[in-house]
Amino acid sequence: KAGVTQTPRYLIKTRGQQVTLSCSPISGHRSVSWYQQTPGQGLQFLFEYFSETQRNKGNFPGRFSGRQFSNSRSEMNVSTLELGDSALYLCASSDVSYNEQFFGPGTRLTVL
Amino acid sequence: AQSVTQPDIHITVSEGASLELRCNYSYGATPYLFWYVQSPGQGLQLLLKYFSGDTLVQGIKGFEAEFKRSQSSFNLRKPSVHWSDAAEYFCAVDLRDDKIIFGKGTRLHILP
Repeated sequence: KAGVTQTPRYLIKTRGQQVTLSCSPISGHRSVSWYQQTPGQGLQFLFEYFSETQRNKGNFPGRFSGRQFSNSRSEMNVSTLELGDSALYLCASSDVSYNEQFFGPGTRLTVL
Repeated sequence: AQSVTQPDIHITVSEGASLELRCNYSYGATPYLFWYVQSPGQGLQLLLKYFSGDTLVQGIKGFEAEFKRSQSSFNLRKPSVHWSDAAEYFCAVDLRDDKIIFGKGTRLHILP
């Protein structure tokens, strides 16, 4: 099976812009979770989608949003970008049991 | 509040030496426990997991971990490290409410 794929791998934006990141889970996986990784805060949970419904959400402002499509692919959107949004954004997928997550390589977002 | 603590930010060991990375969690019940490894520029790869049963679990790449309920710990061990083990290691806890908490990570350096 192909692994989790994330596009794009690298992104440079300026403050105030918005960005959309994409994640394609492993075939058959219906749960997709998003994480933000920064040197200072480490790995922080953003949200999780299961069968097109947001099942859980971390402590991030409303500028961070996501959605999941019927084919389980997921997108994450960040509006009104701030310098502090520069991070590696990781997507992880899991099957119905959820317990074991498989991570993609991440999207490196740089906000200038 | 629930938390995961990896007390060592950096650890340096010589190639061929044994390794132990510490992880403690704070949670009322026994959570699901994981260790992940992240190589530079890569996503996270699952090394091993504990759900229940035998408290000593074997993982990939020669790693093992022992769950100690009395100490709320889940330390990762390897009897003999290889230069390719240099990476960042994350302990994670699944609180069984569809949310996973990661430790801040331990960066492992290997001396030749």
